[in-house]
This record gives sequence, structure tokens and C-alpha cells, in this order.
Amino acid sequence: DGGITQSPKYLFRKEGQNVTLSCEQNLNHDAMYWYRQDPGQGLRLIYYSQIVNDFQKGDIAEGYSVSREKKESFPLTVTSAQKNPTAFYLCASSLSTVTYEQYFGPGTRLTVT
Amino acid sequence: AQSVTQLGSHVSVSEGALVLLRCNYSSSVPPYLFWYVQYPNQGLQLLLKYTTGATLVKGINGFEAEFKKSETSFHLTKPSAHMSDAAEYFCAVSDRETSGSRLTFGEGTQLTVNP
Repeated sequence: DGGITQSPKYLFRKEGQNVTLSCEQNLNHDAMYWYRQDPGQGLRLIYYSQIVNDFQKGDIAEGYSVSREKKESFPLTVTSAQKNPTAFYLCASSLSTVTYEQYFGPGTRLTVT
Repeated sequence: AQSVTQLGSHVSVSEGALVLLRCNYSSSVPPYLFWYVQYPNQGLQLLLKYTTGATLVKGINGFEAEFKKSETSFHLTKPSAHMSDAAEYFCAVSDRETSGSRLTFGEGTQLTVNP
């Protein structure tokens, strides 16, 4: 089955620790995205990548970092510099930069205490 | 820059009643428009999309939406609500020219279906 996988589903960390969220897709999509979701705020774009070895900041990139070394993988690191990291994180992909339909993974809920 | 406004963060209907979720957008060029649905603790699933052509778009689970350029709207409707429709719904827009493949999402509308 083709799709997007995110692991783990739930993640708990202590304040001050960096944590990396996994996102893998086997849809052969060029573009990948990371969103953060907080109650009542919709989805906010953190980073996106339109091609391997290239990525751009979204609207709320501060405190986050990404890499895109392989087409199918786009991991997100939440650093200790992120002031309020507890949130639901969603990864998405789209076929290309001219195909705007995005497909979403199941999400990772990160809790930092 | 494009933006999306969803009127009503919470909508409640009775089972069998009409569902109407409102979405207005702003975009400098003809947009691509999307509706997504999210069930608790899950990712988003595409319900329907408008790109070009027919302005009335049919999607999955009996939903449809109409693109009205003069009103800059893309409201989502379903003639008869089912209990399984209870979820959060997001409208999204891409203006294609200025943002590449980025989408801008509304803040979401939580739909409750009462028995």
C-alpha cells in the first residue's frame, strides 16, 4: 500500500532535549511538508521541500530543522530552541510543485514536559 | 498572500439535516481550493478539490462544494448528515503563482452531528 508513515504516534520528551520526528512516503512524490497543529489554529507550515537536498522555511520555522537527503524521507527535528513544542505534527506530500493536492500522514503527537 | 476564513469554528446539526460549512478565500489569482476532513488524532483526508472547469465539485462521502468567484467562496455541503460525518473540516487554498505548491489552511470547523 502506498502512503505516508509517521513514527512514533505519541512521543514524550523532557524540556531541553532535541527530538526527531520521522516521515516516510512511498508515493514517489517530489514535494514534502511539515505542519504543526494546535487547537483552534488550523495547520501552520513549518518547512517544505520541493526536491531532494533542498528545502524552504514555512511560516513558523524557528526552533525546527529538517533534512531531505532521500526523496522518500523528510525528518523534522524539534530543537530545544522551540519555545512551545507540545503539539500535533503532520507530514504531507504532493506529486510535484504543480500538483497542489497534498496527502497527509497520520501525525505524531509530541508532548514536552 | 492568500488567506482562508472559515465562518464558524463549531457547527452542530441533527442527523439527516443539511450540512453547510462556510469558506471564503482571498487570492490574487484564480485559486485551487480544497476541503479536507480530520477525525480525532488522525491525519487529514482530501474530501474534494476545485482546480478548473465545473464550479460544482463532488467529493467523497456525499459532500460537494461550489466555487463562486464573485463571492470568493467555496462552501461545503451535504444534503443529509450522518453520525459518521462528525469531524473537523479544513478549507485550503493555493494561489499557484506566488506560493508554489504551498497551501494555506483555514482554522477549521468542528462538525457535531446530533442523533
